[in-house]
Amino acid sequence: GAVVSQHPSWVICKSGTSVKIECRSLDFQATTMFWYRQFPKQSLMLMATSNEGSKATYEQGVEKDKFLINHASLTLSTLTVTSAHPEDSSFYICSASEGELAKNIQYFGAGTRLSVL
Amino acid sequence: GQNIDQPTEMTATEGAIVQINCTYQTSGFNGLFWYQQHAGEAPTFLSYNVLDGLEEKGRFSSFLSRSKGYSYLLLKELQMKDSASYLCAVRNTGGFKTIFGAGTRLFVKA
Repeated sequence: GAVVSQHPSWVICKSGTSVKIECRSLDFQATTMFWYRQFPKQSLMLMATSNEGSKATYEQGVEKDKFLINHASLTLSTLTVTSAHPEDSSFYICSASEGELAKNIQYFGAGTRLSVL
Repeated sequence: GQNIDQPTEMTATEGAIVQINCTYQTSGFNGLFWYQQHAGEAPTFLSYNVLDGLEEKGRFSSFLSRSKGYSYLLLKELQMKDSASYLCAVRNTGGFKTIFGAGTRLFVKA
């Protein structure tokens, strides 16, 4: 299957700082990528849909000014957690589909574990 | 609205067969996925159903009934490494977003 690379895999930061997470599709172009958040023993919660060349679409309850998404190219989307606080500590996972979104499988990055002190 | 239900936990014995059920309600249906997720790792793709019926892939099979809003994942010849969470996910037609169920934690015992 297609490969999605996510970096970093683990980050620890101080409260009030910003953290950037990168998601890359390595061997295919992805016009759409998705960002999820997962708390321990819970399922993935969709945060936003990242569209290349346009603004991201955020799910209800997700602060767009808090979680900045930039989809600068067909192979790269970034999620920046701004002014992070301990409650932002979570597992963040991106995914991407190759080809036509309606027909293809989402492949996931390895995830980023964020710990805010 | 959208809702996906699957059992929270299941336990099975090594070498046995286990069936994990999933029922869903969604605004427009565009496919159902099963993913496996080990603790602390990202989900890995197992199967995809968009038409009714059974899809078989090695030790794993997935079934879909769109009229009943029902799917199951069948795991045969269970191995210890199959201990993981199994996520049922449905893609809708509104923006083609994929929504995940809470997952079923499967424990395989010797």
